[in-house]
Amino acid sequence: GQQVMQIPQYQHVQEGEDFTTYCNSSTTLSNIQWYKQRPGGHPVFLIQLVKSGEVKKQKRLTFQFGEAKKNSSLHITATQTTDVGTYFCAPSDTGTASKLTFGTGTRLQVTL
Amino acid sequence: DARVTQTPRHKVTEMGQEVTMRCQPILGHNTVFWYRQTMMQGLELLAYFRNRAPLDDSGMPKDRFSAEMPDATLATLKIQPSEPRDSAVYFCASGFWSPSEQFFGPGTRLTVL
Repeated sequence: GQQVMQIPQYQHVQEGEDFTTYCNSSTTLSNIQWYKQRPGGHPVFLIQLVKSGEVKKQKRLTFQFGEAKKNSSLHITATQTTDVGTYFCAPSDTGTASKLTFGTGTRLQVTL
Repeated sequence: DARVTQTPRHKVTEMGQEVTMRCQPILGHNTVFWYRQTMMQGLELLAYFRNRAPLDDSGMPKDRFSAEMPDATLATLKIQPSEPRDSAVYFCASGFWSPSEQFFGPGTRLTVL
């Protein structure tokens, strides 16, 4: 099956700084979802990207799908303490669209 | 608002005991997933169902794990016998068949002593 790596594994920023996490796949992806998991919580869906080169924005969050559909990124502008958590990318299986393979995750810590 | 529910939320048991985890998916969703989360392995897909039919349980240790959907409102994950390496948080999620948002339950934190 496909392997998905996320970098960095962990990032500690001060409130107001920007943050980016990258998701890289060894194979071409049909689509990719992003989830956020707060400490002690469950994953919560953020967005789905489908098209090559797609860029979507949600307030301070910007999601990008690579032109070759092998990588994706999530950028947070001016982080806030509410952004604390682990961010997972989750590409769907090319053979079975509903089946997701979750990335290793990037844990974000934000301090004042 | 609609949400996935899981019971129990916490379970502590001894090695060798049977463990049953239950999940109530969101009404109307036709796809149910079971995931396991550990620090070492991350979030792994164990099994999933479409319209109550099991589609893929390749992520599950076959000899001790079993997953079923007795009806559209209940999914179960059983471990028999349980082992300490099964200690993890088990999440159930539901959604629709086409690639779309998966709604996760709060999870069952299992500790096997």
